[in-house]
Amino acid sequence: DAGVIQSPRHEVTEMGQEVTLRCKPISGHDYLFWYRQTMMRGLELLIYFNNNVPIDDSGMPEDRFSAKMPNASFSTLKIQPSEPRDSAVYFCASSADSSGYTFGSGTRLTVV
Amino acid sequence: GESVGLHLPTLSVQEGDNSIINCAYSNSASDYFIWYKQESGKGPQFIIDIRSNMDKRQGQRVTVLLNKTVKHLSLQIAATQPGDSAVYFCAENIGGGSYIPTFGRGTSLIVHP
Repeated sequence: DAGVIQSPRHEVTEMGQEVTLRCKPISGHDYLFWYRQTMMRGLELLIYFNNNVPIDDSGMPEDRFSAKMPNASFSTLKIQPSEPRDSAVYFCASSADSSGYTFGSGTRLTVV
Repeated sequence: GESVGLHLPTLSVQEGDNSIINCAYSNSASDYFIWYKQESGKGPQFIIDIRSNMDKRQGQRVTVLLNKTVKHLSLQIAATQPGDSAVYFCAENIGGGSYIPTFGRGTSLIVHP
C-alpha cells in the first residue's frame, strides 16, 4: 500500500487565489481527516469524514475553507480566497474504525 | 476546554542514553492514547498506543507508561539513536466510539552523536 497520498507537496500562491489540496486515503479506511499544522497552534483538526460524509467541520476556520469527499478514494480541501495567514502544512490522514491514523506527507502551503 | 499538553518543548540527549518524553492530559474520560513521531518534512507516524485499562506497554525500544491517577503519559526510548531525532506528539481519545484524537503541542527530541 502506498499510504495516504497528498498533492501537491508544495504550493505557493498569491493572496486571493484559490487553492485546492488533494488527498487519496488508504484503501479500506473509512475515516478521513484534514489537519493544519503551524508552529503557533500545532496540529489542528479542520474536518473529518466517515464513509465519505462530513461528520464534524467545526475546526474549519472560515467560510473560505471547504472540503469534499466525492468518493472513498479522494478528498479535496479548498481555500478561496487564500490569505497569507493560511500558510501552513496541511495534512490528510485516514484510519479504519477506531485504529491509529496514517498521515500523508502533507502539503506545505505558502500564500504571499 | 480540556487539552493535552507536554511538559518539555525540547529534550536534548546523547546517543545511547535513554529518553523520556512526558505528556499531561486533563480529560479523565480519555481511554486511548497514542504517541506519534514526526520527522522533518514528514507527517506524524504512529509509534505506540495504550488503552486506559493498561499502565504499561512495550514496543521495540519504546515503552509507554500511563498513570491515570495523575493523568500523565510518558514515552521512554531506550538507547536513543540519531534517527530518533524528531518531534513527538501524544494524542488522547475521549472514547465514545469513533477515534478522534486531540493532539498535544509536541516535544522536540534532539539526539547528539
